[in-house]
Amino acid sequence: GESVGLHLPTLSVQEGDNSIINCAYSNSASDYFIWYKQESGKGPQFIIDIRSNMDKRQGQRVTVLLNKTVKHLSLQIAATQPGDSAVYFCAENRELTGGGNKLTFGTGTQLKVEL
Amino acid sequence: NAGVTQTPKFRVLKTGQSMTLLCAQDMNHEYMYWYRQDPGMGLRLIHYSVGEGTTAKGEVPDGYNVSRLKKQNFLLGLESAAPSQTSVYFCASTPGVLSQPQHFGDGTRLSIL
Repeated sequence: GESVGLHLPTLSVQEGDNSIINCAYSNSASDYFIWYKQESGKGPQFIIDIRSNMDKRQGQRVTVLLNKTVKHLSLQIAATQPGDSAVYFCAENRELTGGGNKLTFGTGTQLKVEL
Repeated sequence: NAGVTQTPKFRVLKTGQSMTLLCAQDMNHEYMYWYRQDPGMGLRLIHYSVGEGTTAKGEVPDGYNVSRLKKQNFLLGLESAAPSQTSVYFCASTPGVLSQPQHFGDGTRLSIL
């Protein structure tokens, strides 16, 4: 069955360093992926997305890489700041029959930024 | 710009009680979703709606009902609450035209005793 998994449950980085959060997915038919950030007591917040016809997309301080050959996704955060501390989720998006989109989430990676 | 608003934010129920969680969005989105989030697990889809007056089952629909009488509102009901329904519930919405990121509310924390 489909699944979205993350390699590490916790990632600790020094302030100012770059962070890399990885995600593996199993459904080769998936064509759209989203990274979310979730702070304590808040809902998931959209960070960046990428479609399967791309292998890289950049935002402000964030980059998502997609490797369809090995079904791997990564989120890179440049110059990590204390405000980046949160749980990060990779989500695999598929369109549902009859409309609507289904997000399949991984369990998340806790990013801790050390001063 | 409120986005997606969920009420209440917290609630404690006794087993067997009923309640309704309200989700409201002011972005004129067509699609709305209810998820639950449990410790150590990602979000799981309960029910969703692709437009006013329509609803459909997600991955974990048992024990829940939903209604979408108005485009901006999506209600999640628990008819007879069970301890297994203790969770954090999130509502989300998307415009619905193409694959778009879902916008989430800040959740309702529900405890069933």
